Amino acid sequence: AQSVTQPDIHITVSEGASLELRCNYSYGATPYLFWYVQSPGQGLQLLLKYFSGDTLVQGIKGFEAEFKRSQSSFNLRKPSVHWSDAAEYFCAVGLFSGGYNKLIFGAGTRLAVHP
Amino acid sequence: DGGITQSPKYLFRKEGQNVTLSCEQNLNHDAMYWYRQDPGQGLRLIYYSQIVNDFQKGDIAEGYSVSREKKESFPLTVTSAQKNPTAFYLCASSGSDGQGASGYTFGSGTRLTVV
Repeated sequence: AQSVTQPDIHITVSEGASLELRCNYSYGATPYLFWYVQSPGQGLQLLLKYFSGDTLVQGIKGFEAEFKRSQSSFNLRKPSVHWSDAAEYFCAVGLFSGGYNKLIFGAGTRLAVHP
Repeated sequence: DGGITQSPKYLFRKEGQNVTLSCEQNLNHDAMYWYRQDPGQGLRLIYYSQIVNDFQKGDIAEGYSVSREKKESFPLTVTSAQKNPTAFYLCASSGSDGQGASGYTFGSGTRLTVV
């Protein structure tokens, strides 16, 4: 069965430090992979997505993610975190199942940023 | 600009009452979804609809009902049978690309509180 694992429930970093959020997926075919961000009390916003080609994808707000097929991972990175990056981050794998597009979400990682 | 509109942003319900959460999209998307979000529990699928006049139960449909009379609209009713309705509710929509690559567009959510 398809699944997405985000091993870290909470992460705290200092402002200006680098960030890596981990995501592992289980899916038999070539995955479509997504990262979403959710600020408190808001909906989810798409940060970036991977379909094929270059395994390093760039997203909004200075985020990037690297697809590693051998490790079944799609980790999200940012070189220098800003206080406004404090939010919850969701990794997801997209598939077409039962006649409709379906996203399988991880449980999320909550990021806190210390000044 | 195209998007998804959820209303109201905040909703208060007395015990024993039914309440309806609105979700409207102008993205011409075929599929629409309702999720419930509780602290520390990620996103849980309540109902989804692929086309007008058709919808399916998700993982936690008990105590909820939906309708899909128009492509643009997918209202969610929280009935008195839902014993713990206090939560954050998210609506999403997706195109149907036959691959799973479209991802979802989310609304900004409705916070429902039982008083």
